[in-house]
Amino acid sequence: SAVISQKPSRDICQRGTSLTIQCQVDSQVTMMFWYRQQPGQSLTLIATANQGSEATYESGFVIDKFPISRPNLTFSTLTVSNMSPEDSSIYLCSVEDGSGSRETQYFGPGTRLLVL
Amino acid sequence: AQKITQTQPGMFVQEKEAVTLDCTYDTSDQSYGLFWYKQPSSGEMIFLIYQGSYDEQNATEGRYSLNFQKARKSANLVISASQLGDSAMYFCAMRESSNAGGTSYGKLTFGQGTILTVHP
Repeated sequence: SAVISQKPSRDICQRGTSLTIQCQVDSQVTMMFWYRQQPGQSLTLIATANQGSEATYESGFVIDKFPISRPNLTFSTLTVSNMSPEDSSIYLCSVEDGSGSRETQYFGPGTRLLVL
Repeated sequence: AQKITQTQPGMFVQEKEAVTLDCTYDTSDQSYGLFWYKQPSSGEMIFLIYQGSYDEQNATEGRYSLNFQKARKSANLVISASQLGDSAMYFCAMRESSNAGGTSYGKLTFGQGTILTVHP
C-alpha cells in the first residue's frame, strides 16, 4: 500500500496569512486528491491534482484560495491562502493505490490547521 | 439528495461482540465502489474495506466484512469480535464512475460518519 506523509502535521496560524501543506507519496501515482474536514464534519474534496495539468476544483473551492502544485508523480502541495478562522480544519491528501489498483484509496495522516 | 447516508450518529457495542454500521447510497451509475474508513481521534483516515458494484461476493478483510445489498443500495460494515481499539469514527464513502458535473473521477463522497464506542 502507498505510504503518504504530510507536512506540517499541525499548525496554528494568524488570520490573513497563508500556509502550504506538503504531501509526499512513496510511489508514483497519477491522481492525488486534497480533502478538507471541518470540525465535527465529514470529508469534502477540495480538488484533484494531476501531474502536468491544472488542478480540478470542486464546487465551492477556487484556485485563488487553494492553489495546488503537482510537480511530479510523488509530490503535491496545497496552499490555504488569506486564512480566516473558518479555514480551521484537517486537510488530508489522498491517492489511489500506486500499483494501479483502483480498489483502494489511501490517505495521509492529515494536517490540523487552527486559524486564530 | 444525500449520496451517502449513515443514519447512526453513534453506536455502542460490548467488547467481543459484533456490530453493524449502516450505510445507504444513491447513484445512477452502474459501476461504482464503496469504501469504509476508520478515523481515530488522531485524525488519520484508515482504509478498511472496499466493495465494487460488480463484485458478486461480499468483501471481507479480517474482522471487517461488508454486507452489500445492491438492490437496496446498502453497504453495511460488520465488525466482528469488537476490540477496545475499534472505538473511532467510521465513514462510508462512494466513488462513482461517471464524471458528471465536472467532478473528478476518483472523487470519494463521504457520509456523515458513525461514532463507535466499544465498552469493556
